[in-house]
Formats: sequence, structure tokens, C-alpha cells
Amino acid sequence: EPEVTQTPSHQVTQMGQEVILRCVPISNHLYFYWYRQILGQKVEFLVSFYNNEISEKSEIFDDQFSVERPDGSNFTLKIRSTKLEDSAMYFCASMAFRQFFGPGTRLTVL
Amino acid sequence: AQTVTQSQPEMSVQEAETVTLSCTYDTSENNYYLFWYKQPPSRQMILVIRQEAYKQQNATENRFSVNFQKAAKSFSLKISDSQLGDTAMYFCAFMKEGGSEKLVFGKGTKLTVNP
Repeated sequence: EPEVTQTPSHQVTQMGQEVILRCVPISNHLYFYWYRQILGQKVEFLVSFYNNEISEKSEIFDDQFSVERPDGSNFTLKIRSTKLEDSAMYFCASMAFRQFFGPGTRLTVL
Repeated sequence: AQTVTQSQPEMSVQEAETVTLSCTYDTSENNYYLFWYKQPPSRQMILVIRQEAYKQQNATENRFSVNFQKAAKSFSLKISDSQLGDTAMYFCAFMKEGGSEKLVFGKGTKLTVNP
């Protein structure tokens, strides 16, 4: 079965630094998503992306966050100036009939 | 806005027995989808089962089945013949019908299968 892939699997960064989380959705999927999960909590929606633009974003997705599909295959989430509370697991998903999740990137902000 | 409620933070079951995880949701939509996802310690999100709201027949996938009560807005997951590998967090999720709709998750139920 095709898979969504994410890199890196674990990212450690200093507070205030920029991070870019990368995802390769399943080819021929048209809808892409980022979710996050703070340890021990539920999975929360961040943003959805379709036709090279944001379809919907949550309150969490403020000006510090941005998404991009730079080359037709990768789908990236950038956090400009990380905060301690950005430490979480970040999941990418792509959709056709149902959402396929990647394995996640664990972001640790020190 | 849609909400999903899982009222059982933790549950345990003996191996080979049956367990039911509860989920209720709130929506004014008529067409939507419901899901159960399993999250083992690796934290990978694994789809267990999917239900379309327009289908009256309850979905089944091998040992996993749901009891979907649309009027009551209830969507429980039954795991039969529980196995040690079923130990995980289980999340119930809702998605409106539409192109780029998001998943709305409940807080999860931590299931432990005891030998």
C-alpha cells in the first residue's frame, strides 16, 4: 500500500529557531493536512491544503506557521520562531476517500 | 462546530475477550464519516475502521466492528478476541463530507490487553 512519508522522524531545536518539517504525500492525492499531538493529548488539526492554497486553518495555525508545496511532491510545514509549547508530534496526512497518515515528526523545542 | 467525546480514558480487557469502546459526537451535518484510529506506542496513526453516515449497515473489519447509532450520535468500537497487540490508544474521529474536510478527534481511550 502506498505510504505518506515524513522527515525527519525527530527534530530537536532551540527556542526561537526556525524548523521545517517535510512530508511526501501519496502521489495522485489532492488534499493535504497537518495535525499535531502534544504528548498525552488528542490529535489536533492545524491546516488543510488543496490546489496550492490553504483550505482551512485552525486557531493554532498562527502567523508563525506556514505551509508550502514547493515542487509538486513535497509538502512542508514551517515554524518560524519555535516556542516551548510547539513541542509535539506533527503528522502529515493526504486524502483520497480517507486520510492516510505519515509516521509523524517528533519536534522537541528546548 | 463538531465535537467528539470519548468518555472512557482507560480500559482493560483480558486476552481473547471482547471489549467495547464508546464514542459520541455532536454535529448538525447529515452526511459525514466516522473513524476509529489506533495509536500504538510508536505513535503511528493506524486506521482501524471507517463508517459512512448514510450507510445503515455497521462496518466490520475482521475482529473490529462498530455500533453506529445515527440518531443517538453514537459510534462505539467492539474488539472481539482481544490480542496483546491491540494494546494502544484508540481515537474516535469525525469528518464532514466534502473535499478537504478535516478530521476532528476525541481525546482517546487507552486500551490495555492483559495476558
